[in-house]
Amino acid sequence: QKEVEQNSGPLSVPEGAIASLNCTYSDRGSQSFFWYRQYSGKSPELIMFIYSNGDKEDGRFTAQLNKASQYVSLLIRDSQPSDSATYLCAVSPAGGGNKLTFGTGTQLKVEL
Amino acid sequence: SAVISQKPSRDICQRGTSLTIQCQVDSQVTMMFWYRQQPGQSLTLIATANQGSEATYESGFVIDKFPISRPNLTFSTLTVSNMSPEDSSIYLCSVATAPGDEQFFGPGTRLTVL
Repeated sequence: QKEVEQNSGPLSVPEGAIASLNCTYSDRGSQSFFWYRQYSGKSPELIMFIYSNGDKEDGRFTAQLNKASQYVSLLIRDSQPSDSATYLCAVSPAGGGNKLTFGTGTQLKVEL
Repeated sequence: SAVISQKPSRDICQRGTSLTIQCQVDSQVTMMFWYRQQPGQSLTLIATANQGSEATYESGFVIDKFPISRPNLTFSTLTVSNMSPEDSSIYLCSVATAPGDEQFFGPGTRLTVL
């Protein structure tokens, strides 16, 4: 079982719709959860991080964390073509610490 | 967030040679890391660069192959030694203010080994 799993996609949504990206993780004691956006040929860019169960909103982005079910999701409202990218979920281990384990990423395509 | 630069941005190298990649941050940071992203894959942590001491390597990565230096709180280097085509990858440094904090990535170094 992979430590951090994401559907590779591509996930296609029309412009203006809500894009929902999901991530599950295997380490029940994981502490912190991060969403990165990576455009083709570029390095990952941090979008959101979440530490506590529930929702965290930042502009058009909402991160949702459910530790009991071991999943974290990212919602993108009013999706724009510029949101088309690969979204990487990253998890830090139980006990905190520095090592981030990344999922393989979900490719999002926002279509006009 | 800190401004991070990497040199070189890309390089094409011959098998058996070595390449040193530099990572420079515009402010002092506690944590610096080196990652590899192989074609079509996600990021894998190579090591944590420790200021003034030996780097902490992840399973599957060894100092002889990937020596790392970190002479101060704003600079680190990663050397890819005795390269083979399997080392063709993007190498990224990242920084964090404190252990467990969010990490920010440099622009990456795209390495091709022939």
